[in-house]
Amino acid sequence: KAGVTQTPRYLIKTRGQQVTLSCSPISGHRSVSWYQQTPGQGLQFLFEYFSETQRNKGNFPGRFSGRQFSNSRSEMNVSTLELGDSALYLCASSLVQGGTNTEAFFGQGTRLTVV
Amino acid sequence: AQTVTQSQPEMSVQEAETVTLSCTYDTSESDYYLFWYKQPPSRQMILVIRQEAYKQQNATENRFSVNFQKAAKSFSLKISDSQLGDAAMYFCAYRRGLGTSGSRLTFGEGTQLTVNP
Repeated sequence: KAGVTQTPRYLIKTRGQQVTLSCSPISGHRSVSWYQQTPGQGLQFLFEYFSETQRNKGNFPGRFSGRQFSNSRSEMNVSTLELGDSALYLCASSLVQGGTNTEAFFGQGTRLTVV
Repeated sequence: AQTVTQSQPEMSVQEAETVTLSCTYDTSESDYYLFWYKQPPSRQMILVIRQEAYKQQNATENRFSVNFQKAAKSFSLKISDSQLGDAAMYFCAYRRGLGTSGSRLTFGEGTQLTVNP
């Protein structure tokens, strides 16, 4: 079974631009979560999608948004990029059984550099 | 809000020896899950072990075991017979339990483990 796939692996953008990152979950997993990892702030939860609906949201500005498609693939978008958005963005998928998520499996991340 | 604290930014161990990584957490909930994840240089987070708070028995996965002290809100990871491939950043993580929806994880700051040959 294929793991969680994130594309692209690396990205360089200029301040003010926008960027879209993609995540394909493990087959059968309908919950997808996004995390931002930086040396200063560590791992922080961005949001979670389940059945095409945002179910949880972290404490990030509105420039960070996401969506989920009917095949459970998810995208996150960051608009008006700032230097501080440079980070490793991790996607995780999990199975939902009986209303409860099983453990999360992570992708290899997308390294975003804003210059 | 839940918080997770890892007080050891760095640890080192000799190959074949045992090392224990510490984690404490704070929560007002009685039902939750705790995890240890490993992040090698490839940056992919790999689940090492998980513990359900309602289980008194400590979880074990091969060379990895935990010491879960619910009253003390402590969740340490013991790695036995350390191998070079165990070198990585280790994160302790908390998740709310049954009856709640969602998979939101709260992570600690991480402990960088070095394994010396």
